[in-house]
Amino acid sequence: KAGVTQTPRYLIKTRGQQVTLSCSPISGHRSVSWYQQTPGQGLQFLFEYFSETQRNKGNFPGRFSGRQFSNSRSEMNVSTLELGDSALYLCASSLDRPFGAFFGQGTRLTVV
Amino acid sequence: DAKTTQPTSMDCAEGRAANLPCNHSTISGNEYVYWYRQIHSQGPQYIIHGLKNNETNEMASLIITEDRKSSTLILPHATLRDTAVYYCIVNSGSARQLTFGSGTQLTVLP
Repeated sequence: KAGVTQTPRYLIKTRGQQVTLSCSPISGHRSVSWYQQTPGQGLQFLFEYFSETQRNKGNFPGRFSGRQFSNSRSEMNVSTLELGDSALYLCASSLDRPFGAFFGQGTRLTVV
Repeated sequence: DAKTTQPTSMDCAEGRAANLPCNHSTISGNEYVYWYRQIHSQGPQYIIHGLKNNETNEMASLIITEDRKSSTLILPHATLRDTAVYYCIVNSGSARQLTFGSGTQLTVLP
């Protein structure tokens, strides 16, 4: 069974631009979550989608948004990029409670 | 979600069992204990989870104390590839929000 696939793997953007990251979950997994990882803050939860509905949201500004499609694939968007948005963005998929979450390899975003 | 406490770092000799402790004294009855690990620059990897019974899979064993206030992840025969940061997370599971702490840096020594 294929794992969680995130595209692109690496991205360089300029401050003020916007970016869209993509995540394809494991087949059959309806829950998709997004996390941001930085050296200073560690792994932080962004949001979770289940059956196309945002079920939970972390403490991030409104510039961070996401969506999930009917095939469970998910995208996250960051608008008006700031230098501090440079991070590894991770997507995880899972069956519902109480199963573990399976993470992709992440998208490394660099904002210059 | 209940807070967890883990040692910052641990060393283990290759081929020996690695025992990683986690304290979760405020765990509530419907919360599960999950273990993940992250090898440098890769996405976290799910290892195992449990509610109150001990659990074993092909990667590790999870021992949860009877009062559920602490647990131990056991890697029975550690290899160099097990060097990673190990995270213990307590979660009710009803939402998929995982709160990662600082974890334990396990270094397996040759």
